[in-house]
Order: sequence, then structure tokens, then C-alpha cells
Amino acid sequence: KAGVTQTPRYLIKTRGQQVTLSCSPISGHRSVSWYQQTPGQGLQFLFEYFSETQRNKGNFPGRFSGRQFSNSRSEMNVSTLELGDSALYLCASRQRDYETQYFGPGTRLLVL
Amino acid sequence: KQEVTQIPAALSVPEGENLVLNCSFTDSAIYNLQWFRQDPGKGLTSLLLIQSSQREQTSGRLNASLDKSSGRSTLYIAASQPGDSATYLCAVRALNYGGSQGNLIFGKGTKLSVKP
Repeated sequence: KAGVTQTPRYLIKTRGQQVTLSCSPISGHRSVSWYQQTPGQGLQFLFEYFSETQRNKGNFPGRFSGRQFSNSRSEMNVSTLELGDSALYLCASRQRDYETQYFGPGTRLLVL
Repeated sequence: KQEVTQIPAALSVPEGENLVLNCSFTDSAIYNLQWFRQDPGKGLTSLLLIQSSQREQTSGRLNASLDKSSGRSTLYIAASQPGDSATYLCAVRALNYGGSQGNLIFGKGTKLSVKP
């Protein structure tokens, strides 16, 4: 089976712009989670989607939003980008609640 | 609020040494605990997952233990190799009121360097 894929892998944006990141989970996985990783804060949970419904949400401002499609693919959107949004954004999927998550390679976002 | 702490932040050992990485968490109401490995600039690879009812899990040279009452987990790596060099992350999945799963809460990791 193919692993979790994320596109694009690298992205450079300027402050005030918006960005959309995409994640394709492993085939058959219905849960997709998003994380932000920075050197200062480490890995922080953004949100989780299951069967197109947001199931959990982390402590991030409303500029961060996401959605999941019927084929389980997920997108994450960040509006009005700030310098502090520069980070590695990781997506992870899992098949069942008691199983581990499988992570994608991440999208590295740089905001100038 | 659940907090996960990993000590030490960095560790350097000679090849062949056995080593232990530590993880502590503040709230014993957890669904499970996981150990991940992250290579520079890459995503995470799952190493071991311990359900809240379990005490330990083993995979090859790795053994992870869980003591919920004391809020601790350890990852034991036997006969370390240069290829084990990476950052090791501990993550706790919270157990919400009512028994539903919460999100994964990560420690900041231990950066391991195994010298040939």
C-alpha cells in the first residue's frame, strides 16, 4: 500500500496570503489528523477528521481550518498568513481508533 | 491539562551501548501511549504503541514500558547502532470524559546520536 502523501512538499508564501495543503491518507484509512511542528513549540495537534466530520480540534486560531472529502483526502487551509506560521505541517492517517497513526513526509511552509 | 516531558533532550552514546529514553505525563487518564522516531526533515515513523491496559510492548531491539500510576514510560534500545540516530518522540492520546479519545499530545523529543 502507498503511504500517506502530502502536497506540496515545500511552499514559500508572504504575510497576509493564504495557503492550502493537501493530504492523501493510506487507502482504507478514514481518520486524518493534522499537526504543526516548530522548533520552539514542538509538535502540536491542529485537528482530526473522520468520515468528513471534524472530531477533535486543537488550540489554534480560526485562521486554521480543514476539511475532508468523501474519498478521505483532506485539505488544510491557513488564511492571512503570519511569520509564526512557518513550520512543518504533518498529516497522519489511521484505520481504527486503537491503532497507530501513519505520518506523511510533511509540507514545509516558509512565510516571508 | 495533559503535559508530556522527555528527558534528556539530547543523548550521545557509543555504538553497542544499551540505552533508556524517558517520558513522563501529568494525567494518568490516557487512551494509549506511542513512541515515534523522526529523522531530520522527515515525517514520523511509529515504533511502538502501548494501550492503557498494557504494561509493555516489544519490537526487535526496542522495548517500551508504561506505568500509568506514576505517569511514566521508558523506551529501551538494546545494542544501539549508528542507524538508530534520530529524534525519539513520546506521545500520549488523551482519554476524554465519557471515554472518548482525545488528541495526541507530544513531548519535545530526545535527540539520540549513536557514534560508530
